[in-house]
Amino acid sequence: DAKTTQPNSMESNEEEPVHLPCNHSTISGTDYIHWYRQLPSQGPEYVIHGLTSNVNNRMASLAIAEDRKSSTLILHRATLRDAAVYYCILRTYNQGGKLIFGQGTELSVKP
Amino acid sequence: NAGVTQTPKFRVLKTGQSMTLLCAQDMNHEYMYWYRQDPGMGLRLIHYSVGEGTTAKGEVPDGYNVSRLKKQNFLLGLESAAPSQTSVYFCASSYPGQGHNQPQHFGDGTRLSIL
Repeated sequence: DAKTTQPNSMESNEEEPVHLPCNHSTISGTDYIHWYRQLPSQGPEYVIHGLTSNVNNRMASLAIAEDRKSSTLILHRATLRDAAVYYCILRTYNQGGKLIFGQGTELSVKP
Repeated sequence: NAGVTQTPKFRVLKTGQSMTLLCAQDMNHEYMYWYRQDPGMGLRLIHYSVGEGTTAKGEVPDGYNVSRLKKQNFLLGLESAAPSQTSVYFCASSYPGQGHNQPQHFGDGTRLSIL
């Protein structure tokens, strides 16, 4: 399974943008890039996913490098509720859609 | 909408006891998954199912069995519980879509302690 590399932790100030990086140098052409987050004492929550083009939804934006070897999750205005562990995951075709979680990035948001 | 419901939410077992964790989803999802999460770590896939009557092994299947007799339910069994199985267990489900671009929906977890 393709692996991802993320910083262990990041800090942000409330109402400022946050850029969470992810490296996935061994990504294959059919791997989708998924982001999930896990708030304390809760199950993971889907955030966004993409293949080649940048993606936007109500929660975040996903910027994918042209060579697809890295991506960045962008939270446009961090709130205290965004404090969570963020997981960048490569999802492989034809493997039952399973997710292989890494350690993730723990984001803390300061008031 | 209930989404993904896990039963029970908490349980304490003694070593050697058996138990079954139940996961139920009301979204008519084809795919279902069981993960475990140990303190300070990401989730690890135990078993998964791509449809009623089918199951497959994940990353850490040893010591667990699963069954998917009905589309909406996915059961995780511990035949002889061990302290190493103390963990938080999460169930998830998703549509198949193209198999790898549909989001997974997670339950709130079952906290299991084995003494």
